[in-house]
Amino acid sequence: GESVGLHLPTLSVQEGDNSIINCAYSNSASDYFIWYKQESGKGPQFIIDIRSNMDKRQGQRVTVLLNKTVKHLSLQIAATQPGDSAVYFCAENRSGGSNYKLTFGKGTLLTVNP
Amino acid sequence: DADVTQTPRNRITKTGKRIMLECSQTKGHDRMYWYRQDPGLGLRLIYYSFDVKDINKGEISDGYSVSRQAQAKFSLSLESAIPNQTALYFCATSDSGTGLETQYFGPGTRLLVL
Repeated sequence: GESVGLHLPTLSVQEGDNSIINCAYSNSASDYFIWYKQESGKGPQFIIDIRSNMDKRQGQRVTVLLNKTVKHLSLQIAATQPGDSAVYFCAENRSGGSNYKLTFGKGTLLTVNP
Repeated sequence: DADVTQTPRNRITKTGKRIMLECSQTKGHDRMYWYRQDPGLGLRLIYYSFDVKDINKGEISDGYSVSRQAQAKFSLSLESAIPNQTALYFCATSDSGTGLETQYFGPGTRLLVL
C-alpha cells in the first residue's frame, strides 16, 4: 500500500549548521511532493514543492532533493536558525484528474540549539 | 495562513454535545478539506469538498458531518461529541486550476471533549 514515512523522528542541530530531513515514499505513481513546516500551536505551512520531472529545487535557504530510483525525498535547510525549530513533514500526491489525496508523513521534530 | 481562518481556535465541550467548527477562506480556492491531527498519527482526512455541491467522505468520517455553505465556507460538525474526538482540527484549501494538489492550512481548532 501507499506510505510516506520519515527516517528520523527527531533531529537536533546547532544554530548555523545545515539540517537534512529525510522522507521515504512507496507509491511509484506519486509525481508531486510537498514539504510542510508546523510550528507549535500553528497549522502546517507550505515550504517548498517538487514535481517528479525534477530532482532538485531550491528556495530561500531550503533545497528539496528527489531520488525517484530509491523513492526518497529530502529537505535541506542551510544555516539553520532557532526559528526553524518545528515539525517538518512531507506529503505526496499523484497529480492530474480528480485525485485529491495528499498522503502525509508523520513528521520529524527539528530542534535548533543556540 | 491568514487566508484560511478557523473558528473557534479552542473549544471545550462535554460528551454528547453537538458542536460546529467553521472555516473560511479568501484564497478563492474551489477545494476545501477537514483533517484531524493526533499525536503520532499525523493528519487524517475527515471530509473534502471539490465545490459547493460536492461533498465526499475521507478516511475517518464516522461521527462527523460537513456543510459547504459557499465556496469560501466549509463547516465541520460533531453530531454527538465523544472523548476520542479530542484532537487538533485543521481546515485546508487547494486550487484545482493549478493541476497540483498544494493544500494550504488554517491555524487549527483545538478541541477537548470531556
